Amino acid sequence: NAGVTQTPKFRILKIGQSMTLQCTQDMNHNYMYWYRQDPGMGLKLIYYSVGAGITDKGEVPNGYNVSRSTTEDFPLRLELAAPSQTSVYFCASSQTSGGRETQYFGPGTRLLVL
Amino acid sequence: GQSLEQPSEVTAVEGAIVQINCTYQTSGFYGLSWYQQHDGGAPTFLSYNGLDGLEETGRFSSFLSRSDSYGYLLLQELQMKDSASYFCAVRRLTGGFKTIFGAGTRLFVKA
Repeated sequence: NAGVTQTPKFRILKIGQSMTLQCTQDMNHNYMYWYRQDPGMGLKLIYYSVGAGITDKGEVPNGYNVSRSTTEDFPLRLELAAPSQTSVYFCASSQTSGGRETQYFGPGTRLLVL
Repeated sequence: GQSLEQPSEVTAVEGAIVQINCTYQTSGFYGLSWYQQHDGGAPTFLSYNGLDGLEETGRFSSFLSRSDSYGYLLLQELQMKDSASYFCAVRRLTGGFKTIFGAGTRLFVKA
C-alpha cells in the first residue's frame, strides 16, 4: 500500500495562475480531506469529501475547488493564485472503526505564490 | 463559535513525563484525537478518545473529560525523537463529520 500520495511536492506559481494539486489514496477510504498549514500554525480544513460525488466546504474554502469522481482521487484546484495561498497543503483520508477516526496524511505539497 | 486551546510550547528533559493540555469549545463534539508532526513531515495519528477516561498506547496516553471540555496527551519516558509538534483535533458531528485541528504545541526535549 502506498497510502496517500500527493503531487507535486513543491511548486512556485505566479499571481493569477491556476493549478491542480493531486491526491490519491489506495486504502479504499470514503472520507478524504484537504488542509493547509501556514508556518508555525495548525491545520485548516479547506474541503472534505464523504465519498465519490460528495464534497463539502471546510473552514477556509475561498479560492479553492474540489471534485471527487472516484474513491481514490481528490484533486484540489486553485483558480487564481494569490500570495495568501502560499502554504503547505496536506491531503488526508480516514477510516473509522467503532467511532474512532484515524486520518492518514500525504507528504504534503509546498506552494509558493509570487 | 468553536475553539481549541493548547499551549504553544513545552520543554522537558529526556526521560521525564510531559502533559500537553487541550481545551475545546464546540458544538456537535464527537471525539478528540492527537497527532504528532515532526519538522518538514506530515501529521501522524497518535491517539483518539471518544469516551471519558484514559487511553494508553505504549509511552503515550490520552485523556478526555467531556463534561470539562478538556483532554490531555501524556508522554512518558521522553526521548529526543519526541521533539515535535503535537496537535489536538476535535471530531464534530454537524450534518456530517468534520475534524478541526488546534494550533499545535511544540515540544522540545532536552538532554
